[in-house]
Formats: sequence, structure tokens, C-alpha cells
Amino acid sequence: AQSVSQHNHHVILSEAASLELGCNYSYGGTVNLFWYVQYPGQHLQLLLKYFSGDPLVKGIKGFEAEFIKSKFSFNLRKPSVQWSDTAEYFCAVNAGRDDKIIFGKGTRLHILP
Amino acid sequence: GAVVSQHPSRVICKSGTSVKIECRSLDFQATTMFWYRQFPKQSLMLMATSNEGSKATYEQGVEKDKFLINHASLTLSTLTVTSAHPEDSSFYICSARALWNEQFFGPGTRLTVL
Repeated sequence: AQSVSQHNHHVILSEAASLELGCNYSYGGTVNLFWYVQYPGQHLQLLLKYFSGDPLVKGIKGFEAEFIKSKFSFNLRKPSVQWSDTAEYFCAVNAGRDDKIIFGKGTRLHILP
Repeated sequence: GAVVSQHPSRVICKSGTSVKIECRSLDFQATTMFWYRQFPKQSLMLMATSNEGSKATYEQGVEKDKFLINHASLTLSTLTVTSAHPEDSSFYICSARALWNEQFFGPGTRLTVL
């Protein structure tokens, strides 16, 4: 069965700091990978996704993620965070032909102004 | 972009009553919709996969008789929480898979059972 683990449950950073949120998945075959963001009081939004091709994926709002197949990882990065990036971030995986998207437990990011 | 709506956004009901939540894809067709449950400060847990015109597929541990799912058309799926109890209080989120395989999430429905 697929599973997703996010290493950091709660991250606190100052504005302009660099961000990296870890995500590992377990599944041996072809996967589609996602990062979603949930701003306070809002619904889930897709930040970026990886289906195939270039393993370095660029998303909205300056976020990027790198798929490293050998490490089963899909870490999210942003070089310089802003106060408005305060939100909960979910890594998710969809394996092969399976329609289901399985979510990690989420990382709560708090940016200090 | 593709939009998914849910109705109602909030519902409060008495214990023992049933509550129906609607999920609609507004500008695209969705042969498959998904229902998730999110507890406070926790992740989304997949409850079931809803396929248009056929029975839903439930995840392990989800009671199919308690959480009735109907996917009557390519743009509408409903989740009915039957005989709701306080432990069913949660945030229910649906998503719809478009023909080009991207999934779009609804804004969620907050259910409070008194």
C-alpha cells in the first residue's frame, strides 16, 4: 500500500529564510507526486505536481520540488519565504493506475514577520 | 480553472439525524470523485472513491452503511452521514478528478453533531 511521510510537523521560520520540507513515499512503481497548501480557513490548493519528465518541478508562488527516485523523496523548497506562506503543506502521492491520492500528515509552517 | 463546490459549507445537527453533503464539479465532468475526512490539525483521510453510475469503493475501516455515497451524474456526488453521532463531527472534503486526470478539491463541509 502507498504511504507518505512528512518529517516536519511544525516549522517556524523568519521571513526571507530558505525552506525545505521533507516528503518520502513508499511505493515501488510509477508514482505521481503532489504538494498541496491549505491557508488558514481556506481549502486545499495545488502548489505543484510531478507526473513525469524533469524531476525538478516549479510551482506557484516561487515553490519548487525535486523528485529523487532513488530516495523515494519529493522535498518542497522555497529560497526565501514570506509571511503570507504561513499555511499547512501536504505532500501526496497517487500510485500508478490508482486514482486515489494519499496524503501525508501535513507540515504546519509558521513564518514570523 | 476547474471549480468544485460543496453544499452546505457548515451544518449542525442533532445526534441520530442524517445529513447530506453535495459535491459538484461546476465546469467540468468528473467520472470519479473522492470523499475525505479531516480532523482538526490532522491530514486528509480518504474515505471512499465514488464512480459515476456504480457503487462507491470504501477504504478499510469506513462503514459503508453509515456513509452513503451516491454519484448520480458526471457533476454530482453526495455523501449522506446516517444516524450521525458526535464522533462523526469533522471536516468533510470532496475532490473531483477531471478527464485530464487532475484532481480538484472542494472547500469542505464542517459537520457538527450535537
